[in-house]
Amino acid sequence: EVVMSQSPATLSVSPGERATLSCRASQNADINLAWYQQKPGQAPRLLIYGASTRESGVPARFSGSGSGTDFTLTISSLQSEDFAIYYCQQYNRWPRTFGQGTKVEIK
Amino acid sequence: QMQLQESGPGLVKPSQTLSLTCDVSGGSINNVSYYWIWIRQHPVRGLEWIGYIFYSGITYYNPSLKSRVIFSIDTSQNQFSLKLTSLTAADTAVYYCAREERGSYVTDSWGQGLRVTVSS
Repeated sequence: EVVMSQSPATLSVSPGERATLSCRASQNADINLAWYQQKPGQAPRLLIYGASTRESGVPARFSGSGSGTDFTLTISSLQSEDFAIYYCQQYNRWPRTFGQGTKVEIK
Repeated sequence: QMQLQESGPGLVKPSQTLSLTCDVSGGSINNVSYYWIWIRQHPVRGLEWIGYIFYSGITYYNPSLKSRVIFSIDTSQNQFSLKLTSLTAADTAVYYCAREERGSYVTDSWGQGLRVTVSS
């Protein structure tokens, strides 16, 4: 299976600052990569798919990039509601696999 | 807008079988456009994709669970189900049902999740 690795495990950021999250695939995932946001007690919410396409309703401060094995999620100016855990998922191969998550916390 | 809702027991004993159901509302499960998915989230190990079932009954299971899991689908009730056998404490998790859109292959809609604890 494709192993997904995210870094860092925790990112401490002040509101208004930029956050950059990384995701690496153990095999080529092409652009079949999604990012999800999860808050406590909630299901993951789709933010980005196709490595860089924002899901409907997702604010423009969220952007994704990358292809192949290296991907990035950038939050340009963190708002209070953005503090959460972010997961990447590849859907290039079965079984689908997720990274272990990056927790974005208030600095 | 399609919504998914898991139901089932919150506590099961080791060695028993877990049975969960996902009720789909706001659209038909008898739809070539979607795979119907089960995913679980372990307290420590994170998100694990269990597999999918198609409206026709075709399934794909994660090889890590293939020997213990069975999916079924009931298009008349607009629901699909999971059975997981030979439970251990390692199966303690929040279980989500979800859908994957076949065109984009993106998992775009999730149930709220059901916490299942395996304990005697």
